[in-house]
Amino acid sequence: GAVVSQHPSWVICKSGTSVKIECRSLDFQATTMFWYRQFPKQSLMLMATSNEGSKATYEQGVEKDKFLINHASLTLSTLTVTSAHPEDSSFYICSAPLGEPQHFGDGTRLSIL
Amino acid sequence: GDSVTQMEGPVTLSEEAFLTINCTYTATGYPSLFWYVQYPGEGLQLLLKATKADDKGSNKGFEATYRKETTSFHLEKGSVQVSDSAVYFCALSDRRGAQKLVFGQGTRLTINP
Repeated sequence: GAVVSQHPSWVICKSGTSVKIECRSLDFQATTMFWYRQFPKQSLMLMATSNEGSKATYEQGVEKDKFLINHASLTLSTLTVTSAHPEDSSFYICSAPLGEPQHFGDGTRLSIL
Repeated sequence: GDSVTQMEGPVTLSEEAFLTINCTYTATGYPSLFWYVQYPGEGLQLLLKATKADDKGSNKGFEATYRKETTSFHLEKGSVQVSDSAVYFCALSDRRGAQKLVFGQGTRLTINP
């Protein structure tokens, strides 16, 4: 069964709206979680590392003020896309390590109209 | 930095054909290597992994061997099925760091009956 739960799975909203995506580790604690973005027919690009109890670490070129990450507890990280625009439309996936392999959520498809 | 290069897709095969998807990597340390599979509209699932040279990962009829001398981790399956149709990602994890994954570009595989 799933060890990482991501919600919602699909969001459609108007331009200018802020959207929050949740990533939960099930039955295990994750001090670190990762957020990836995937464009159609492309690979996953790491956006940021979410750290419980401290600030997220963003990859080069990712806007911190656009993509707010909060690791509120040992089982929950949230990604908020602020003032979303059509170019933010994408597939967002989180992951958490359980031992060595990363376990991925099922992803959130975000469509901004 | 670390990188992963995968065989260009898409790949189309007939059922029961032999499959090879090439993957090579560059890394400064001794990474762990993974193959992930993504079915349409879903997140990533770990298919197999190998953590050191000459290790062979296997699962669901798929195999890959960690070849340090050729820096490769090619995915193989002797007889593919229609249900194997998906996108396959080769990835590495630098164990010295925060377990971030670096992905190849993905290879879309379609199996025709």
